[in-house]
Amino acid sequence: SAVISQKPSRDICQRGTSLTIQCQVDSQVTMMFWYRQQPGQSLTLIATANQGSEATYESGFVIDKFPISRPNLTFSTLTVSNMSPEDSSIYLCSARPSTDTQYFGPGTRLTVL
Amino acid sequence: DAKTTQPNSMESNEEEPVHLPCNHSTISGTDYIHWYRQLPSQGPEYVIHGLTSNVNNRMASLAIAEDRKSSTLILHRATLRDAAVYYCILRDVYRVNRDDKIIFGKGTRLHILP
Repeated sequence: SAVISQKPSRDICQRGTSLTIQCQVDSQVTMMFWYRQQPGQSLTLIATANQGSEATYESGFVIDKFPISRPNLTFSTLTVSNMSPEDSSIYLCSARPSTDTQYFGPGTRLTVL
Repeated sequence: DAKTTQPNSMESNEEEPVHLPCNHSTISGTDYIHWYRQLPSQGPEYVIHGLTSNVNNRMASLAIAEDRKSSTLILHRATLRDAAVYYCILRDVYRVNRDDKIIFGKGTRLHILP
């Protein structure tokens, strides 16, 4: 199994600023992912965080807006850049230590004013 | 990618069994059927998965149709804590560890009545 923690758990930010969300896994994992969940909606995959190389982004998400780092097998960050109110969402980190099960963090609730 | 279809919402009484259906008529032979659920204000959590045979674990049972075009997640005795959104997801066994990504549909919101 894997236990995932995220920091911060929530934040309120001003338009035009950036926020970096940290994700820590309690064990080494092969794959890490970032998702966004807008109010009342399902989860949308933002990108796969690749260790030692650039993240792989899904359609509609770009590196300039959501830069991702993954310096090792237990840690990743997601930055939400130049925020607007439309970026208000819950951002979830996810990790897959084995082939079958994927684990999710508790999420970071972001409000942009 | 193969897609799944689930009812938007369901209701059940506490302490009664719940059957959550999922249709996946375009499933391929290498697709596993996975179920996750998301409790209020939490990230999703794994529930169960299977390929062809019915599966049981401490959380639930998974009944898979003989033609694999549908499946049913069974909660044997629902509690208030089981109120959540349940997601039925297909994952290709040959893509795991390569470019396999979990893509969430809208899921089924399960309401448990006390």
